Amino acid sequence: DSGVTQTPKHLITATGQRVTLRCSPRSGDLSVYWYQQSLDQGLQFLIQYYNGEERAKGNILERFSAQQFPDLHSELNLSSLELGDSALYFCASSVDQGQPQHFGDGTRLSIL
Amino acid sequence: DQQVKQNSPSLSVQEGRISILNCDYTNSMFDYFLWYKKYPAEGPTFLISISSIKDKNEDGRFTVFLNKSAKHLSLHIVPSQPGDSAVYFCAASEGRGGSARQLTFGSGTQLTVLP
Repeated sequence: DSGVTQTPKHLITATGQRVTLRCSPRSGDLSVYWYQQSLDQGLQFLIQYYNGEERAKGNILERFSAQQFPDLHSELNLSSLELGDSALYFCASSVDQGQPQHFGDGTRLSIL
Repeated sequence: DQQVKQNSPSLSVQEGRISILNCDYTNSMFDYFLWYKKYPAEGPTFLISISSIKDKNEDGRFTVFLNKSAKHLSLHIVPSQPGDSAVYFCAASEGRGGSARQLTFGSGTQLTVLP
């Protein structure tokens, strides 16, 4: 158990819809990272938050957004969903830079 | 452009022998390297890391070696056990100031340890 909690575990929805994925980091970790794992792209970094502020952005689509709340949990919002958004979405957390990131078990998103 | 490459999609090893997993990178700004293990339906689990100021780091049965001149790192597992069978990901990151850190992952190597 990494201590990182992601909900829901599975999400099935239709094209054009909007979903919210939630992540609770390990106790004491200030940084939260979001990654997408699709069959053809592997694990790709999306975005990082540190203590409520955006710190780094990767290949995140404009239809996607995230935020980190005062209690340090984070949400990833995906809108105008397309078939190609079907993937595993992982959240990770770390105390600070230079420290290992610890991953949750992911949310599997299926777009029908 | 793949900045982190794991050229072997799979590796089979006999129980008790050494497993060697390899990883190459192209970005000379990477200064922190990690290995993760992943079982199906679970998230990646952190195994071991190494900073670019070192060339070796050990933790129990796991040792990571870093060759900066060759931009190559490897993970040695000795002795290998059937429970080690999983997908192993190499990851790298570079400091970008402040608290910004993102991991760039390789495509993974499926390790199978045969009893």
